[in-house]
Amino acid sequence: SAVISQKPSRDICQRGTSLTIQCQVDSQVTMMFWYRQQPGQSLTLIATANQGSEATYESGFVIDKFPISRPNLTFSTLTVSNMSPEDSSIYLCSGGSGMNTGELFFGEGSRLTVL
Amino acid sequence: AQSVSQHNHHVILSEAASLELGCNYSYGGTVNLFWYVQYPGQHLQLLLKYFSGDPLVKGIKGFEAEFIKSKFSFNLRKPSVQWRDTAECFCAVSDTGRRALTFGSGTRLQVQP
Repeated sequence: SAVISQKPSRDICQRGTSLTIQCQVDSQVTMMFWYRQQPGQSLTLIATANQGSEATYESGFVIDKFPISRPNLTFSTLTVSNMSPEDSSIYLCSGGSGMNTGELFFGEGSRLTVL
Repeated sequence: AQSVSQHNHHVILSEAASLELGCNYSYGGTVNLFWYVQYPGQHLQLLLKYFSGDPLVKGIKGFEAEFIKSKFSFNLRKPSVQWRDTAECFCAVSDTGRRALTFGSGTRLQVQP
């Protein structure tokens, strides 16, 4: 298993600003992903964080809005740029070993409120 | 593309009642199936998973799920729920090549003492 830590755990942000969320895993994981969970809704995949290269984004998400870094196997960041109230959400980091079971481990999430 | 449907959005049960939550997925290939749970104020945790073998899988805390390939279903069951089972339950699927999970909309399970 893997323990995933995120910070900040929550923040209140002003419209038009940007915020970077950090994700640290206590062991090396092959796969890392960023999800968004909007109020009362399920988890939506934002992107796959690729080590040492550009992230792979899902439909509806773009690098300019959600730049992602992953410099090594245990750390990743997600930036939410030029925030608007619609970006208010919980952002979750997840990781997996890549073994055939496909299980992912999740952090506790970063709850962002944009005013 | 994969999709997951959870038809029960909010389920309210009394303690000791039996539970069955529906989950259907749409994907024609080989899949891995999961149920995750999110207790109030806690992070997502894996309840159980299926990737091959016996279609009836047992997870933690007395939960089980049955994979029925012909029905594209992976329903979650528990014979007798407890108050501490109150949580948000998510069904998820991944294919064997792509490791990212696709989640259903979630079911809010509320167990009344």
